[in-house]
Amino acid sequence: NAGVMQNPRHLVRRRGQEARLRCSPMKGHSHVYWYRQLPEEGLKFMVYLQKENIIDESGMPKERFSAEFPKEGPSILRIQQVVRGDSAAYFCASSPRTSPSTDTQYFGPGTRLTVL
Amino acid sequence: AQTVTQSQPEMSVQEAETVTLSCTYDTSESDYYLFWYKQPPSRQMILVIRQEAYKQQNATENRFSVNFQKAAKSFSLKISDSQLGDAAMYFCAYWAASGSRLTFGEGTQLTVNP
Repeated sequence: NAGVMQNPRHLVRRRGQEARLRCSPMKGHSHVYWYRQLPEEGLKFMVYLQKENIIDESGMPKERFSAEFPKEGPSILRIQQVVRGDSAAYFCASSPRTSPSTDTQYFGPGTRLTVL
Repeated sequence: AQTVTQSQPEMSVQEAETVTLSCTYDTSESDYYLFWYKQPPSRQMILVIRQEAYKQQNATENRFSVNFQKAAKSFSLKISDSQLGDAAMYFCAYWAASGSRLTFGEGTQLTVNP
């Protein structure tokens, strides 16, 4: 059973460009979460999505950041007009359902974004 | 808002010895879940152990066990018979049953000395 897949693993962008990060959840998982890890810090929640729906985007910056999880295909985290402060590791996690009583978020390997 | 605090930025242990990593949290929720994740140099986040707040029994997974003190809002991780492969950053995390996000602590960097 393949784990959570993220690509690319490393992404380099110049200031002002767009960054697209992709996440394919584990088979059977329909819930996706995005987290950001700044250097020397813990992970911070950004957004929670189900297929075709954004459930909680309270951790997402109001501007330049967007996320989607279409009916077909991977979840996409999109950062427009990147700035140096966007340089971080972006992790995707998936779970089969939102209730944590028997549930766990499983993480992908992350995408390390570097903005020059 | 929930917060998770790991007061030990760095810890070290001799191979084969036991080490305990501390974690405290703050919440007004009664139904929640606690986790320890390990992040080795590869940066992959690996689940180590989970604990349901409604369970009094402490969770164990092989060499890993927790000491869950609900009244004190404390959730420490004990690693027995430490191995070189245990060297990593360890994150404590909280998940409210009513919520959707994991809230992480700042991490403890564990070094295992041969």
